[in-house]
Amino acid sequence: DTEVTQTPKHLVMGMTNKKSLKCEQHMGHRAMYWYKQKAKKPPELMFVYSYEKLSINESVPSRFSPECPNSSLLNLHLHALQPEDSALYLCASSQGHRDTGELFFGEGSRLTVL
Amino acid sequence: GEDVEQSLFLSVREGDSSVINCTYTDSSSTYLYWYKQEPGAGLQLLTYIFSNMDMKQDQRLTVLLNKKDKHLSLRIADTQTGDSAIYFCAGVITGGGNKLTFGTGTQLKVEL
Repeated sequence: DTEVTQTPKHLVMGMTNKKSLKCEQHMGHRAMYWYKQKAKKPPELMFVYSYEKLSINESVPSRFSPECPNSSLLNLHLHALQPEDSALYLCASSQGHRDTGELFFGEGSRLTVL
Repeated sequence: GEDVEQSLFLSVREGDSSVINCTYTDSSSTYLYWYKQEPGAGLQLLTYIFSNMDMKQDQRLTVLLNKKDKHLSLRIADTQTGDSAIYFCAGVITGGGNKLTFGTGTQLKVEL
């Protein structure tokens, strides 16, 4: 199984809603990532979990809250988002975190904030 | 400018070769990578090159690395319509916090 699965594929939410994005991998990878991608732009790193501990937080606003319940799962909790947060949110995993660029990406969750 | 720059757009005819270029400021990366993103999808690792190599060939893909000029390129031979996508180079950039930095991306359009 070489897949990273993300749900939901599409999400529309209002600025007062609370929702979550979910990501799952069963490759035994110990690092998991959240990226934000705007149209025609490169992905921007948001968070990295390494061995289920948050190792990188790229100064992301607190309305985004990551959670890593176990080594296979990664969640992104969303609350009080702004319209400019509308984007494709990509989850990725890798065997380790240090000096590796071999990331396996999910298909993404396309978020629209009204 | 950006740490990792690419030209925005490339259009080629089916069957021709495509060359996508990437320049970077400074890299501490052991490897440099090329990713492909098809419309509406996530990124897929295409190939990578060890930083002390000049060239790597992988079927239709050839990666060239010029460390002196800090220039990386991806050549796709016999380009097909299925190669239409956005291509990102990536590496760990010195002073970038030990994280992977993606280039600005090149949209490749393959015409019949």
